[in-house]
Amino acid sequence: GESVGLHLPTLSVQEGDNSIINCAYSNSASDYFIWYKQESGKGPQFIIDIRSNMDKRQGQRVTVLLNKTVKHLSLQIAATQPGDSAVYFCAENSGGSNYKLTFGKGTLLTVNP
Amino acid sequence: DTAVSQTPKYLVTQMGNDKSIKCEQNLGHDTMYWYKQDSKKFLKIMFSYNNKELIINETVPNRFSPKSPDKAHLNLHINSLELGDSAVYFCASSPGLAGVITDTQYFGPGTRLTVL
Repeated sequence: GESVGLHLPTLSVQEGDNSIINCAYSNSASDYFIWYKQESGKGPQFIIDIRSNMDKRQGQRVTVLLNKTVKHLSLQIAATQPGDSAVYFCAENSGGSNYKLTFGKGTLLTVNP
Repeated sequence: DTAVSQTPKYLVTQMGNDKSIKCEQNLGHDTMYWYKQDSKKFLKIMFSYNNKELIINETVPNRFSPKSPDKAHLNLHINSLELGDSAVYFCASSPGLAGVITDTQYFGPGTRLTVL
């Protein structure tokens, strides 16, 4: 399948369970963070974002938590559905005017029916 | 309807050829980007243009030359294609407003380039 050889961190959950995807970011000066979802054969799709002056932000079925002390970001998906199966990326903006996003490695989420 | 579009979706070509990938956005954004995604899904920025001006060039070989005829278009031309250029290339755009931290990028569907 597509995942062979990818060496991505993977998370496998049952439909209806909650999922938590973790990300360690690298730059303590980063002031803006985004989670993207990438389905097979498609481009990354914006899910939720958070600024560095916040530690939690909620969307529809998703919550992002930011811990600046340990440079850790997490994405929580409530009541995970088969349509949530995708690769999830965190991205950080280290600030300044160069509009540069640095992407994390990605986590493959598989939802089992 | 499509916000960020790329053509072609698939591109198969021989080593040594020259090829172009086109990108257009209808979001009215000022900034556009090209990313390369390798076989391990690692996504890395290559170039960024703001209002037709180059602002990011991430140590990409000279064989890659972006061209922005206007702020809604950013095309990527690749000369003398090599096997290692095989990847999925994504175009993205963002509002690019100066001083705005929350400059969210929106991605196109990708172009899968295969060099034989």
